Amino acid sequence: QLQLQESGPRLVKSSETLSLTCSVSGGSIKSSSYQWGWIRQPPGKGLEWIGNVYYSGRTDYNSSLKRRVTISTDTSKNQFFLTLSSVTAADTAVYFCARFIQLWFVFDYWGRGTLVTASS
Amino acid sequence: QSVLTQPPSASGPPGQRVTISCSGSDSNIGSNTVNWFQHIPETAPKLLIYRNNQRPSGVPGRFSASKSGTSASLAISGLQSEDEADYYCATWDDGLSGWVFGGGTKLTVL
Repeated sequence: QLQLQESGPRLVKSSETLSLTCSVSGGSIKSSSYQWGWIRQPPGKGLEWIGNVYYSGRTDYNSSLKRRVTISTDTSKNQFFLTLSSVTAADTAVYFCARFIQLWFVFDYWGRGTLVTASS
Repeated sequence: QSVLTQPPSASGPPGQRVTISCSGSDSNIGSNTVNWFQHIPETAPKLLIYRNNQRPSGVPGRFSASKSGTSASLAISGLQSEDEADYYCATWDDGLSGWVFGGGTKLTVL
């Protein structure tokens, strides 16, 4: 059974960079069948797609976050990463990592999410 | 404000059938397939429906979905207490070139 686990600092100071890791177990991220994505949910609000990374390293980002976001992978550790620069209180959210299966065109497995608070 | 519109809440007694709607536009639901997720807080969101009406293995047949034009709906029959959760629709938006989600519907089993 595939499992994804988010990890990283729970508190980030405003104007600094948020960095999260998604550790994948039960399957390899080195597959052309999948992409790996980040989605977030601010408190009391809906879900917002942040971006995806392909096994090749190619990335797709939400245009509203593109200038501040980087998603990358470390296939040797079966992990992928999110960095979000210049954070503000608006970036406070539960951050989820997820697998995207291209055949079904859907995020089929998700992590439980981690709450990151951006505070001055 | 979410690109896809869902009612904030829905409810029904055990055993009843409830439906949750998801409204979009030509650039998203009108052009692409719709997915549905179930999320119980503090747990991983669970995929219920992909490609408008397909259930992954392990999802009970009580969950069904459909799409027509720029709207989609999720139906849950034979409500059970374990169905209490937040439900989200999602699809690709050609205009935004990105994934968009509904604001979520909180389902209460009375």
